[in-house]
Amino acid sequence: EAQVTQNPRYLITVTGKKLTVTCSQNMNHEYMSWYRQDPGLGLRQIYYSMNVEVTDKGDVPEGYKVSRKEKRNFPLILESPSPNQTSLYFCASSLRTGMGANVLTFGAGSRLTVL
Amino acid sequence: DQQVKQNSPSLSVQEGRISILNCDYTNSMFDYFLWYKKYPAEGPTFLISISSIKDKNEDGRFTVFLNKSAKHLSLHIVPSQPGDSAVYFCAASAAGSARQLTFGSGTQLTVLP
Repeated sequence: EAQVTQNPRYLITVTGKKLTVTCSQNMNHEYMSWYRQDPGLGLRQIYYSMNVEVTDKGDVPEGYKVSRKEKRNFPLILESPSPNQTSLYFCASSLRTGMGANVLTFGAGSRLTVL
Repeated sequence: DQQVKQNSPSLSVQEGRISILNCDYTNSMFDYFLWYKKYPAEGPTFLISISSIKDKNEDGRFTVFLNKSAKHLSLHIVPSQPGDSAVYFCAASAAGSARQLTFGSGTQLTVLP
């Protein structure tokens, strides 16, 4: 089944304790991206990657890191989490033909709480 | 500054009636618009899209209308069904922006049986 898989789905952690949210897709998609969803703010892009070893900042990159060493994986790293990073996180990917709409396939989400 | 706005956080509609979800945008460079549907505990799923060269796109019960002069798009669901109850996000992208999607804040649709 074609899908984007995120782990963990739920996580409670404490301020300053480094954590990684993994994201993997099995569709051979070039483009991958991370979003956070907060009440009243919709989905805001954190980082994106156009291909292996190519990453760039989205709208809200502060406090996050990413890497794209393999095409299928795009982990999100919080080096020193803070309470304002409590949110619902989504990983997404797309084929990116370069034409038309960029139709993203989303993972099921990772709910993170930072105490 | 939100470039894509969904001003109605929620909408309730009776089963069988029409649901109209609205979205406004400010960036005149947007040339593709998409709607996503999101159920609780799931990721958003793509519903329908429209190019700026069109003013209407239809897919079964779902129709998206685009009014470029007003920078406004709407999603019509006819007839509405209880299974349509979800959060709907509109999104837009512009050529030359690596096709990044800018999302609205979402509208919770509740279809009452």
